[in-house]
Amino acid sequence: SQQGEEDPQALSIQEGENATMNCSYKTSINNLQWYRQNSGRGLVHLILIRSNEREKHSGRLRVTLDTSKKSSSLLITASRAADTASYFCVYQGAQKLVFGQGTRLTINP
Amino acid sequence: GAGVSQSPSNKVTEKGKDVELRCDPISGHTALYWYRQSLGQGLEFLIYFQGNSAPDKSGLPSDRFSAERTGGSVSTLTIQRTQQEDSAVYLCASRPDSTGLAAFFGQGTRLTVV
Repeated sequence: SQQGEEDPQALSIQEGENATMNCSYKTSINNLQWYRQNSGRGLVHLILIRSNEREKHSGRLRVTLDTSKKSSSLLITASRAADTASYFCVYQGAQKLVFGQGTRLTINP
Repeated sequence: GAGVSQSPSNKVTEKGKDVELRCDPISGHTALYWYRQSLGQGLEFLIYFQGNSAPDKSGLPSDRFSAERTGGSVSTLTIQRTQQEDSAVYLCASRPDSTGLAAFFGQGTRLTVV
């Protein structure tokens, strides 16, 4: 299966702490994206990192990509209750987008 | 519209009936994807359309599932003779014709087969 793997499957932290999620994939990629999903419905695009980039920032988000290890990480700094959601890494091999199983993040007040 | 629109939002159907799910992609987006997500699970790829190319149907779970995209825009996913295991959220996404850009998702159709 081409499916990516995410680690951890679930993460529970206190508000204000940083949250780190990791993703591994199995094929060569053009880019890797991270999405957030609230309440099991639509996915919201967070950030895209291209295969020739190693790190990217967007607000409180920091994404790294290590193509030699076929892995990526998403760091959310200074977490808030509203960050509670499932986070998916998504990579594009040939054409279709391949999803990991996701990390369920819970921010406790 | 500004985003990807899916209809209906929710659909309850009896086992054995056929259902049609609709997706209106973002105007100008040539790539369109259908995914399925069962409760608490990740997203399962179903089918991918890119412009006028033949669609990638490799994810369709059985011949009861089919999809078409008319005029390079609206797409319809059809499930014939629905089964209880078809119950899931069906998500549609569209993307500009470029490998380097993000995909945008609709809110999904929650299908319940009773």
